[in-house]
Amino acid sequence: DAKTTQPNSMESNEEEPVHLPCNHSTISGTDYIHWYRQLPSQGPEYVIHGLTSNVNNRMASLAIAEDRKSSTLILHRATLRDAAVYYCSRMGYSGAGSYQLTFGKGTKLSVIP
Amino acid sequence: NAGVTQTPKFQVLKTGQSMTLQCAQDMNHEYMSWYRQDPGMGLRLIHYSVGAGITDQGEVPNGYNVSRSTTEDFPLRLLSAAPSQTSVYFCASSYGTRGAYEQYFGPGTRLTVT
Repeated sequence: DAKTTQPNSMESNEEEPVHLPCNHSTISGTDYIHWYRQLPSQGPEYVIHGLTSNVNNRMASLAIAEDRKSSTLILHRATLRDAAVYYCSRMGYSGAGSYQLTFGKGTKLSVIP
Repeated sequence: NAGVTQTPKFQVLKTGQSMTLQCAQDMNHEYMSWYRQDPGMGLRLIHYSVGAGITDQGEVPNGYNVSRSTTEDFPLRLLSAAPSQTSVYFCASSYGTRGAYEQYFGPGTRLTVT
């Protein structure tokens, strides 16, 4: 069974970069890597996703290892509003033309002022 | 656009009762899914749908039923509630069925079964 593993928690100082790691050692070649974040009492919010190449958007960057067995979410300058639980997930083919999103257990990011 | 909406926000049930959690989206998305979130377990997929009339099971489907008669709506039915179904339930949708598309999540329904 494919597993996605993340550290339980991380801390960062405000305005410093944050690198959130994820291991997905059994990922298949067609699985996309997705990252979501969740604030208390809210639904998960999309952050970024990618397949093989590194990706950038207004929120973050995603660095994907060449063998795709790991990825890193990069927040370039952490703010207090970035304090959340960050979920690494894998969007994998489940047969019959459909895909399932499988989540890791999340990393709780604390940002220190 | 309202995005993904869920009702109710909170619900308390007694063991054995049945109920339906409602989910709707106004983005014309093909793919819709239901997750449950328990402490320390992350989000786990219950059921999903790749279009009207098509549903399939996820990781933890037992005790739940779904149907999809329209593109917009994807209700989740608890047939006979059990305390193990106490959880926060999230509905999500995306434009397509492949991993290339981001998922949009609703605000969640917090369910307690006594």
